[in-house]
Amino acid sequence: AQKVTQAQTEISVVEKEDVTLDCVYETRDTTYYLFWYKQPPSGELVFLIRRNSFDEQNEISGRYSWNFQKSTSSFNFTITASQVVDSAVYFCALTPSGGYQKVTFGTGTKLQVIP
Amino acid sequence: GAGVSQSPRYKVTKRGQDVALRCDPISGHVSLYWYRQALGQGPEFLTYFNYEAQQDKSGLPNDRFSAERPEGSISTLTIQRTEQRDSAMYRCASSFPQETQYFGPGTRLLVL
Repeated sequence: AQKVTQAQTEISVVEKEDVTLDCVYETRDTTYYLFWYKQPPSGELVFLIRRNSFDEQNEISGRYSWNFQKSTSSFNFTITASQVVDSAVYFCALTPSGGYQKVTFGTGTKLQVIP
Repeated sequence: GAGVSQSPRYKVTKRGQDVALRCDPISGHVSLYWYRQALGQGPEFLTYFNYEAQQDKSGLPNDRFSAERPEGSISTLTIQRTEQRDSAMYRCASSFPQETQYFGPGTRLLVL
């Protein structure tokens, strides 16, 4: 069984602050993928990143960075210098890497960036 | 290129009516998935197709729910005899095999 826990239900930050969204996962699979998706107020689900369980290197993309730590089963997401456009619900997700990908999502963290 | 499209975007129906939700995947994507997302929750898996074959329907909540993808492209999720508890956002995603799933805009279903 797979499980993704996003303990932070809602976070509010003031614009330009840094913010970290936590994600903890459980899986019995030895290889798997981790994802982050963004759901802005308009409702679509936007892919942000996919990380293979073999690759524990942290990744940075502009103001976004991801910290994958297999030892603690965590895949945290940091937004640096937050902007109002970052306001959204962010979902962490998990899927086994073999076979087809039945994605298990967390319950999401709602981020509000206040101008 | 065009992303995943879904229609209708919004559907209001009365309890007991049947509804059909359509998904048009990204061209070339052989894998197609249906998810349901309740308010304040993450999407939950319903069913999966590889080409036209339905490989897994373990997430369909009961036999009122069915899905098909007869020609390996467009898919239809049908809910018969709708109930108020069926109200949710229904999302479709497509991908190349074992690659990232890209989601459509969803169909918001409201059963009165």
